[in-house]
Amino acid sequence: EPEVTQTPSHQVTQMGQEVILRCVPISNHLYFYWYRQILGQKVEFLVSFYNNEISEKSEIFDDQFSVERPDGSNFTLKIRSTKLEDSAMYFCASSEERGPYEQYFGPGTRLTVT
Amino acid sequence: SQQGEEDPQALSIQEGENATMNCSYKTSINNLQWYRQNSGRGLVHLILIRSNEREKHSGRLRVTLDTSKKSSSLLITASRAADTASYFCATDEYGRGGKLIFGQGTELSVKP
Repeated sequence: EPEVTQTPSHQVTQMGQEVILRCVPISNHLYFYWYRQILGQKVEFLVSFYNNEISEKSEIFDDQFSVERPDGSNFTLKIRSTKLEDSAMYFCASSEERGPYEQYFGPGTRLTVT
Repeated sequence: SQQGEEDPQALSIQEGENATMNCSYKTSINNLQWYRQNSGRGLVHLILIRSNEREKHSGRLRVTLDTSKKSSSLLITASRAADTASYFCATDEYGRGGKLIFGQGTELSVKP
């Protein structure tokens, strides 16, 4: 069964460093998303992406964040200068279409900023 | 309460019993999805119910949706120890671009 994959599974970085989190969505899906979950808190929407541009972004997704689909398979989230509060589990998701379609999530990347 | 709030926050039952979790939301929605998360792991999609549907089944799962009350319930029948996990509802707000809003979740513990 097709699934969303994410790498790395765990990333440790120092405050101020740049990190790139990688995702490979399900191949025939058109809509891509990033969410994050700070330990013990609810899952929060960061950004949605369609047709090579951002469809919607949350207040969390400030200028430190960017997303890219550099080729036909990868979808990346970049954090330019990490802060301690960026420590969280980051989930990538994809769906066939927008709206009433299932979003399938990857296993997540645990980002630890020290 | 916020969009996509579940109750109870924690539920402990014996294997074989049924588990019912509830979710309430505030805005009009396109659909409501339920997810499971094992401790520290990813989100597994369980079931999606559209705003024009009232009930949906998938194996031991039964989901209901009452749009007049802006609420949904997830019933897991004949629970197993392997069902131990956190369960989240997530709403796709009507008119928005597929962004999901998650609740805090219900932590289900099934004792063997």
